[in-house]
Amino acid sequence: GAGVSQSPSNKVTEKGKDVELRCDPISGHTALYWYRQSLGQGLEFLIYFQGNSAPDKSGLPSDRFSAERTGGSVSTLTIQRTQQEDSAVYLCASSLDLRGEAFFGQGTRLTVV
Amino acid sequence: ELKVEQNPLFLSMQEGKNYTIYCNYSTTSDRLYWYRQDPGKSLESLFVLLSNGAVKQEGRLMASLDTKARLSTLHITAAVHDLSATYFCAVGTNAGKSTFGDGTTLTVKP
Repeated sequence: GAGVSQSPSNKVTEKGKDVELRCDPISGHTALYWYRQSLGQGLEFLIYFQGNSAPDKSGLPSDRFSAERTGGSVSTLTIQRTQQEDSAVYLCASSLDLRGEAFFGQGTRLTVV
Repeated sequence: ELKVEQNPLFLSMQEGKNYTIYCNYSTTSDRLYWYRQDPGKSLESLFVLLSNGAVKQEGRLMASLDTKARLSTLHITAAVHDLSATYFCAVGTNAGKSTFGDGTTLTVKP
């Protein structure tokens, strides 16, 4: 596609429920990243995928968070048993490779009530 | 642990004036990124700085990198209202696993 696409754009969920956030990177981009941005703050790295290599999960805040990337393209970030502190905007980005410029999607605003 | 500090965090400028945003980082890194974020929107990549002494310019914005001082600057020349946004610097060995500063919210007033 023309840009990085994320869905849904907004998600309101009850505490304790699981959510799945989707990211479609730019076609041909081998690197894909997930970040979290809490209100009024900078970005917090979560995880990145590069080609067929094992993902770097070092930024995932707890074992309730997981992500996968199928077929080297679409990625899903899953948050299990959501907590109120998970409320944030989740941003996905992709780049041609790890050293290239990153292009960000519009984000998914997650609100846990 | 890599730390990235931006200052100022908030900047109110008058149109036509010049100003500089500073980005200090704590450990040696390969590259530095500047991004712009408009309210409610995602991030837009402005500059990627790869080496000591690198300088890049686009319109009224110019970014530079001093790796020895671990400092990057984003200079705004003759500010206009359209430049009002939050500007982030990010440092890392790649675009994905970068450490971001807290952002500088710039407001340009007529």
